[in-house]
Amino acid sequence: GENVEQHPSTLSVQEGDSAVIKCTYSDSASNYFPWYKQELGKGPQLIIDIRSNVGEKKDQRIAVTLNKTAKHFSLHITETQPEDSAVYFCAASRRASYDKVIFGPGTSLSVIP
Amino acid sequence: NAGVTQTPKFRILKIGQSMTLQCTQDMNHNYMYWYRQDPGMGLKLIYYSVGAGITDKGEVPNGYNVSRSTTEDFPLRLELAAPSQTSVYFCASRFTGGTGELFFGEGSRLTVL
Repeated sequence: GENVEQHPSTLSVQEGDSAVIKCTYSDSASNYFPWYKQELGKGPQLIIDIRSNVGEKKDQRIAVTLNKTAKHFSLHITETQPEDSAVYFCAASRRASYDKVIFGPGTSLSVIP
Repeated sequence: NAGVTQTPKFRILKIGQSMTLQCTQDMNHNYMYWYRQDPGMGLKLIYYSVGAGITDKGEVPNGYNVSRSTTEDFPLRLELAAPSQTSVYFCASRFTGGTGELFFGEGSRLTVL
């Protein structure tokens, strides 16, 4: 089955700096790669996703890149703000089935004012 | 819309006791999921359902049971609670053929002593 690894497990950055979180997956049939943000005491919420037919997607300060050959994808947050502090999860699934979404272990991001 | 609602939010169980975590969604989503979240381990899929009457095992199904008699409800049953089941449990749902986004509840924190 699919296995998703994520690094680093914790990340501290100064406000205004960039943050990068990297994930790798094992199932070459995976086609859909979402990123979720979890704030303290809340359930995860989708912040951005990417499908296998594109290599990069941006939404304001957030971008995701995908390298299908190497089976890895990354989340980039620019101009970080204190409200970006949260746990971030990457995930992978086979888009065609949409049944299982397998998550990475998470990255705890702290943005220091 | 309330979205995905989980009850209870907190529960303490003794070893060997049984209980049911309730999950209901009002978005008419066909797909529903149960995940458990342990520190540093991310979200592990326990069971999922693609529609009323259909359920399937995820990554860590042992010690749990589910049923799906209606589109709205997807309860998770723990028959003989063990300390290893101490965790935060999240229910999620999504729309068939939609964007793939998972909508999570706010979680149920279970402690088994």
